[in-house]
Amino acid sequence: EAQVTQNPRYLITVTGKKLTVTCSQNMNHEYMSWYRQDPGLGLRQIYYSMNVEVTDKGDVPEGYKVSRKEKRNFPLILESPSPNQTSLYFCASSWVENLSYNEQFFGPGTRLTVL
Amino acid sequence: GENVEQHPSTLSVQEGDSAVIKCTYSDSASNYFPWYKQELGKRPQLIIDIRSNVGEKKDQRIAVTLNKTAKHFSLHITETQPEDSAVYFCARWRGTGFQKLVFGTGTRLLVSP
Repeated sequence: EAQVTQNPRYLITVTGKKLTVTCSQNMNHEYMSWYRQDPGLGLRQIYYSMNVEVTDKGDVPEGYKVSRKEKRNFPLILESPSPNQTSLYFCASSWVENLSYNEQFFGPGTRLTVL
Repeated sequence: GENVEQHPSTLSVQEGDSAVIKCTYSDSASNYFPWYKQELGKRPQLIIDIRSNVGEKKDQRIAVTLNKTAKHFSLHITETQPEDSAVYFCARWRGTGFQKLVFGTGTRLLVSP
């Protein structure tokens, strides 16, 4: 089954304790991205990756890191989480055809609470 | 200037009525405009999209129109049903290679039986 998976689905942590949210897709998509969703603000892009070893900042990258060592995986790292990073996080992927972008397939989401 | 403004933020209709959600943008360097539906507790899912070389696209009860001159695009849902109740997001690709996807803030649609 074609899908995007994220782990964990729920996480409660404390300020300053490093954490990683994993994201994996099995559709051989070049493009992967992380979003955070907050009430009234919609979905905001954190980081994206055009392909292996190619990553760039989205609109809200502060406090986050990513890596793309393999095409299928795109982990989101919070080196020192703070309460303002409490949010619902979505990973997504899509294929790119002749520089034309297509449907983003979203993972199930990770609800993060930082105390 | 690079954001997408979406209106209304909430929309309540009776079953069978039509619903229209509008989004505006200011950056003319975009060529792909998707619409996503997010049901409560679920992930966003694409329902329809349009590219800049067409002005309208329909898929059963759903249609999207694009006015590149005025820089706005709209989602039209006809004959609404209770299962259409959800949050709808417009989006557009931007960036030098259209690499960033920018979402609107969402419209909560409630369809009453």
